[in-house]
Amino acid sequence: SAVISQKPSRDICQRGTSLTIQCQVDSQVTMMFWYRQQPGQSLTLIATANQGSEATYESGFVIDKFPISRPNLTFSTLTVSNMSPEDSSIYLCSVAGTSGRPYNEQFFGPGTRLTVL
Amino acid sequence: GENVEQHPSTLSVQEGDSAVIKCTYSDSASNYFPWYKQELGKRPQLIIDIRSNVGEKKDQRIAVTLNKTAKHFSLHITETQPEDSAVYFCAASDANAGNMLTFGGGTRLMVKP
Repeated sequence: SAVISQKPSRDICQRGTSLTIQCQVDSQVTMMFWYRQQPGQSLTLIATANQGSEATYESGFVIDKFPISRPNLTFSTLTVSNMSPEDSSIYLCSVAGTSGRPYNEQFFGPGTRLTVL
Repeated sequence: GENVEQHPSTLSVQEGDSAVIKCTYSDSASNYFPWYKQELGKRPQLIIDIRSNVGEKKDQRIAVTLNKTAKHFSLHITETQPEDSAVYFCAASDANAGNMLTFGGGTRLMVKP
């Protein structure tokens, strides 16, 4: 299956600042998603990253807070803007539509552990 | 939107016993049901999935069953081993509506040697 990497793997940030997380795949994929996993909790979908157009956000998540880019079929970024301690979480990208796999199987990147002080 | 409930939240079994985790979903349009295993500090890993045209699927010691009428699906692990200890998540999606996964709350499985 596709190899998915995320940068940074972890970061500690000051409140009020922004952090951009990168997700890179080693092959073209149809779909890319961003999830949040708060400590000890389940995964919540933030948005679907659409190539060449605005991301599709889930209820409770807005573009001003979580701007997303997807310039091509192998790369996406998620920015966490104007951070507060409540944004401390693990952020995961996932991909679907990888070559040789059923189109709806999703595979996750290693995650970015964010701590906001 | 879709709502997925997962039970139990924690499950402790003796090595060699079976473990069963159950999930219910609300959206009758959902047609794809994957299960993920997440070890501490690691990413969720897809371990098995089932589609709505199938009632049961098995892969070695793990199996998943689906009851579309009742809108519930279950994960069965037989002959559990200590390395099965992890958090397991069920999920549901409507593959015709963007493939977004809605996850259950997770089950922490502990296999005691």
